[in-house]
Amino acid sequence: GNSVTQMEGPVTLSEEAFLTINCTYTATGYPSLFWYVQYPGEGLQLLLKATKADDKGSNKGFEATYRKETTSFHLEKGSVQVSDSAVYFCALRKKTSYDKVIFGPGTSLSVIP
Amino acid sequence: DVKVTQSSRYLVKRTGEKVFLECVQDMDHENMFWYRQDPGLGLRLIYFSYDVKMKEKGDIPEGYSVSREKKERFSLILESASTNQTSMYLCASSLSPLGSNQPQHFGDGTRLSIL
Repeated sequence: GNSVTQMEGPVTLSEEAFLTINCTYTATGYPSLFWYVQYPGEGLQLLLKATKADDKGSNKGFEATYRKETTSFHLEKGSVQVSDSAVYFCALRKKTSYDKVIFGPGTSLSVIP
Repeated sequence: DVKVTQSSRYLVKRTGEKVFLECVQDMDHENMFWYRQDPGLGLRLIYFSYDVKMKEKGDIPEGYSVSREKKERFSLILESASTNQTSMYLCASSLSPLGSNQPQHFGDGTRLSIL
C-alpha cells in the first residue's frame, strides 16, 4: 500500500547548522508530495509541496526535491534558527482517491542557541 | 487565507459523556477531515467528508461519528467518551476535485481530556 517513512527524531541542532530530514515514500503512480510543519500548541501548516518528478518546493529557506528514482522528498535548510523548532511531517496525496492524504510519523526538531 | 476554526482549544469531559467537537472553514472547501494525533502514532484519520451529508470512515472510526449538515461545518461526535479517547483532535479541509494537488488546511487543534 501507500506509505511515508521519515527519519526518527528527535533531532537537535545548533543555530545556523544545516538541516536534512529524510522522507521516502511508497506509492503507485505519481502522488503529490508535501511537507507540513507543526509549531508547539498549533495545528499543521503547509510548508512546501511538489507535484511531479524533479519539482523543487521551497518556502522560508526550506527546500525539498521530488525524486522519483529514489522515491524520496528530503527536507533541507541551509541555516536553521531557534524559531524553526517544530515537528515536521512528510505527506503524500494520492491522485486516484478522494483526497486522502497519508502522513509520515513526524520528526521533532529542536534548535538550540 | 484559509481559516479553519475549531470551537475549543482545550476540553475536559467525563467518561460516558457525549462530546461534540466543532469545526468550521471559511473557504467553501468540499472536503473536510477529522484526525487524532497521539505521541508516537502520528496523525490518524477518523472520518472525512467530501460533500454535505456525505461521510466516509477513515482508519480509526470506532467510537466516533460525524455530522455534516452544512458545507462549512464538520462535527465530530464521541458517542460515549472513554479515557482512551484522550488526545489532540485536528480538523482539516481541502478543495476538490479528484487529482488536485491542493493541500489540506488545518485548524489549531482541540486537546481533549477524558477523566
